[in-house]
Amino acid sequence: DADVTQTPRNRITKTGKRIMLECSQTKGHDRMYWYRQDPGLGLRLIYYSFDVKDINKGEISDGYSVSRQAQAKFSLSLESAIPNQTALYFCATSDADVKGHYEQYFGPGTRLTVT
Amino acid sequence: LAKTTQPVSMDSYEGQEVNITCSHNNIATNDYITWYQQFPSQGPRFIIQGYKTKVTNEVASLFIPADRKSSTLSLPRVSLSDTAVYYCLVGLNRDDKIIFGKGTRLHILP
Repeated sequence: DADVTQTPRNRITKTGKRIMLECSQTKGHDRMYWYRQDPGLGLRLIYYSFDVKDINKGEISDGYSVSRQAQAKFSLSLESAIPNQTALYFCATSDADVKGHYEQYFGPGTRLTVT
Repeated sequence: LAKTTQPVSMDSYEGQEVNITCSHNNIATNDYITWYQQFPSQGPRFIIQGYKTKVTNEVASLFIPADRKSSTLSLPRVSLSDTAVYYCLVGLNRDDKIIFGKGTRLHILP
């Protein structure tokens, strides 16, 4: 089984609809992240969470909200979807060791289309 | 967070060694340097991480000069399957969020 899973994998929705993307992990990591990727723009950070009670905005949080329901679950919501939120969305987890090393583990992505 | 600069794209041929250099002039004392690889429609995958000198694993080598203001990812004997986007990241994870730039699009030709 995959360590980081995302649901749904693909979604088409209409402008103005509320949509939730879900992420689950079995790695036991405290840190979780949501990114979006647009063609030619690399990955941009939307929100990140260092533990269940700690949630922080990233570069492009406007129009998005998140919920950290448990250590293993981190959901991203679009309250009122708009076409320029059409993108590939990735969830990731990480856990720094005592030396400060870190590695992020990414989910398979959710392709969202807003019409 | 230290800003990184890397080439937008590179082409190479199968069997060649490929070196991708990343500049990070304002790297902090505690910062590590990390490289990720991303194939189309997949999430990035960790390749290698280092702090100074040279690090080697089964996939790549990472060369970091003494001043640490740049680093070079070296991929030995590339194949078509190494065609991907490669991201250089600099930072300490303990208190920082992780920021990806646009990466280097590597295209391997037959």
